[in-house]
Amino acid sequence: QAVLTQPSSLSASPGASASLTCTLRSGISVGTYTIFWYQQKAGSPPQFLLTYTSDSYKRQGPGVPSRFSGSKDASANAGILLISGLQSEDEADYYCMIWHNNAVVFGGGTKLTVL
Amino acid sequence: EVQMVQSGPEVKKPGESLKISCKGSGYAFGTYWIGWVRQVPGKGLEWMGMIYPGDSEVRYSPSFEGQVTISAVRSITTAYLQWNSLKASDTAIYYCARLPGGTDWFDPWGQGTLVTVSS
Repeated sequence: QAVLTQPSSLSASPGASASLTCTLRSGISVGTYTIFWYQQKAGSPPQFLLTYTSDSYKRQGPGVPSRFSGSKDASANAGILLISGLQSEDEADYYCMIWHNNAVVFGGGTKLTVL
Repeated sequence: EVQMVQSGPEVKKPGESLKISCKGSGYAFGTYWIGWVRQVPGKGLEWMGMIYPGDSEVRYSPSFEGQVTISAVRSITTAYLQWNSLKASDTAIYYCARLPGGTDWFDPWGQGTLVTVSS
């Protein structure tokens, strides 16, 4: 079982909100991790979006709009990236990341389509 | 402005060696970790390892240890990723990126170096 699992794709309409999940493997608790999120547009390198540990410990990447936000769902053992007011330019791949046992682990990525 | 600028695309044959580079600028090179990430075309991101140029400490992902060598030359603010014997499965885009701290996020990223290994 992968350490981090993301749905492979998600579609949403312009102006709507999209909730991208990053589920941690059973046995490791989302409550003890900081979740990092990246956006990768076609043909470009990934870009850092934000970190989320708790509502008290979170960080927005430089220039990242406030309509991108992070949270956790402890009941689902998942980190969440919420994008509100979707725009066509938000169409991209989104990756979550954690530090686990002193090593970086990436989720498999979610392709977000805005249509 | 902090920038990571990588070397250009490479086409190699299986068994050949290769060293690609990542030049950091706009910050104190020796005081930030630099990581390397692989992306096979059409696939996800895989962390390979990272280096602290200040003392050349290197940490490898278990998946890549022994397969590549990460190094840096502080005087020319450049980090490297090296292979001794390439395989077709090494075909990928390789990104470098700076980390503000040892267990932080990657930002900024280099533009990527496409390595193609084909006979």
